[in-house]
Amino acid sequence: AQSVSQHNHHVILSEAASLELGCNYSYGGTVNLFWYVQYPGQHLQLLLKYFSGDPLVKGIKGFEAEFIKSKFSFNLRKPSVQWSDTAEYFCAVTGNSGGYQKVTFGTGTKLQVIP
Amino acid sequence: DTEVTQTPKHLVMGMTNKKSLKCEQHMGHRAMYWYKQKAKKPPELMFVYSYEKLSINESVPSRFSPECPNSSLLNLHLHALQPEDSALYLCASSQDLLLAGGGYTDTQYFGPGTRLTVL
Repeated sequence: AQSVSQHNHHVILSEAASLELGCNYSYGGTVNLFWYVQYPGQHLQLLLKYFSGDPLVKGIKGFEAEFIKSKFSFNLRKPSVQWSDTAEYFCAVTGNSGGYQKVTFGTGTKLQVIP
Repeated sequence: DTEVTQTPKHLVMGMTNKKSLKCEQHMGHRAMYWYKQKAKKPPELMFVYSYEKLSINESVPSRFSPECPNSSLLNLHLHALQPEDSALYLCASSQDLLLAGGGYTDTQYFGPGTRLTVL
């Protein structure tokens, strides 16, 4: 069965600090990886995704993530965070499970950016 | 248009009530999903519809009954719910499903959810 681990449950940063959120997955086959963001009171939005090709993926709002296959990781990064980045971030993986695409979400990381 | 809409935004119901949640998308997506999200937890998959047919039921109790009237609509009928069923119910859609023996996937787009409270 596939699983996703997000080690940081709650991260507090000052504005302009750099961000890296960890995501590790466990799955024996080909996976596709996603980062979703959920701003306070809003719905899940896609930040970025990796299907194949260049392992360094750039998403919206200055976020990027790097797929490192040997480490089963897909960490999210941003060089300089803003107060508006305060949100909950979910890493997700999809894989073939019994003939259908199943999305498994990590437990989420709550990011709080202090002005 | 990359929007998935859900109604109502909030719903309060008693344990003997019957209610329905609605989801709509006009992106031509052929796969639609229901998720349940409890506070401070990630979304958990409940049902998957592919080409208007129920593909997956993740061992969801029968008091939740999904329905896909057409390719743009997805309903979740609720009956005799329990207080522990209170949660945010999310709908999502994607262009297509991974086919048995195939090998591609697609992004799921989420609606804003329905906040359900069962008294």
